[in-house]
Amino acid sequence: NAGVTQTPKFRVLKTGQSMTLLCAQDMNHEYMYWYRQDPGMGLRLIHYSVGEGTTAKGEVPDGYNVSRLKKQNFLLGLESAAPSQTSVYFCASSPFRVSGPVTGELFFGEGSRLTVL
Amino acid sequence: GENVEQHPSTLSVQEGDSAVIKCTYSDSASNYFPWYKQELGKRPQLIIDIRSNVGEKKDQRIAVTLNKTAKHFSLHITETQPEDSAVYFCAASTAGSQGNLIFGKGTKLSVKP
Repeated sequence: NAGVTQTPKFRVLKTGQSMTLLCAQDMNHEYMYWYRQDPGMGLRLIHYSVGEGTTAKGEVPDGYNVSRLKKQNFLLGLESAAPSQTSVYFCASSPFRVSGPVTGELFFGEGSRLTVL
Repeated sequence: GENVEQHPSTLSVQEGDSAVIKCTYSDSASNYFPWYKQELGKRPQLIIDIRSNVGEKKDQRIAVTLNKTAKHFSLHITETQPEDSAVYFCAASTAGSQGNLIFGKGTKLSVKP
């Protein structure tokens, strides 16, 4: 049981290049999230999904796109990378809505460090 | 939307002392308040959480208190140990059917032996 796995763990891009981060979870969770973590800024929600085939915008969605074609996978895409997107990206999943009547613990991946030059 | 403020940003204590981290939130409809611990280079992990119908919750050396009227909640760690050194994040759920988490900016706790 691997939990939440992110690929790749490290990547260096040049401004304007595109790339996709893959998040895979084997816990059959409905909810999946992409956060970015910057020094002194905490964790900010980029996009999220409440189930297969659904996506929605979070706090900082500009410059990113997502897809959830399969329940276990949540992809984060950067179409034209900018230096401001240099960050550590965390994927997370949850079996339930975080504010629902049952615990909504987020299970995080190990993170993907992206540098845009 | 929801806004979460967390203080202090850094906290240094001696081993055995207590540590308190405070957070305030803006949306009175928020109903779920977790705390996550992130060790250096690791992923965040849930350590304790509280729901709006409860005023206090304790789990061994850690406790969380919630004041709904004042819209603030706090993490209390007693008898701190070096392994408690980490960054701690508070969070609050947003209102509405999605109920996403909005995180504070984090507190770096250092426990000196």
